Amino acid sequence: GQQLNQSPQSMFIQEGEDVSMNCTSSSIFNTWLWYKQDPGEGPVLLIALYKAGELTSNGRLTAQFGITRKDSFLNISASIPSDVGIYFCAGHSGGSNYKLTFGKGTLLTVNP
Amino acid sequence: NAGVTQTPKFQVLKTGQSMTLQCAQDMNHEYMSWYRQDPGMGLRLIHYSVGAGITDQGEVPNGYNVSRSTTEDFPLRLLSAAPSQTSVYFCASSWVKTGSMNTEAFFGQGTRLTVV
Repeated sequence: GQQLNQSPQSMFIQEGEDVSMNCTSSSIFNTWLWYKQDPGEGPVLLIALYKAGELTSNGRLTAQFGITRKDSFLNISASIPSDVGIYFCAGHSGGSNYKLTFGKGTLLTVNP
Repeated sequence: NAGVTQTPKFQVLKTGQSMTLQCAQDMNHEYMSWYRQDPGMGLRLIHYSVGAGITDQGEVPNGYNVSRSTTEDFPLRLLSAAPSQTSVYFCASSWVKTGSMNTEAFFGQGTRLTVV
């Protein structure tokens, strides 16, 4: 089946630093999604990417859909303590496939 | 607007017991799904449904049953709980359009299940 490799597994950064994480796939996706999960909560969608090469921002977050359609990147600028959480990438191959494939997550810790 | 509601939030079961995890959404979404989240494993799809009366298996369906009698509800049943089913379970829903799911899925807050 499809697999997503998400890296890094965890990050410890200082408040104000920029963060970058990425996902790579063994197969092509038509949609890339980035979710954030706060402790004790369900994942919440941050950014959705629907076109190869697309670069989309949501406040301090920027995500890109790789040209090969097999990777995606999420950047967080000027991190703040509330950025703490687990960030997941997810891919969807489109068509009549109703399944999302999730990466294993990146645990972000921000030191004030 | 409640969104996706899961009950219970916490549950402890003994091996061999059965139980049903409830999931309800009030957004009239056609697509609903169940995931389990284990440390270091991310989210893995258990079962999903694209409408009332229609269900299908995901990546890890063994040991779980589902049914979809209404658009709003998608319960997950464990017939004989095993310690390997200790996990956090998430229900998610989204629209279905033109033969494919809308990928902007909304998640519930999760059910933390421990099987002893």
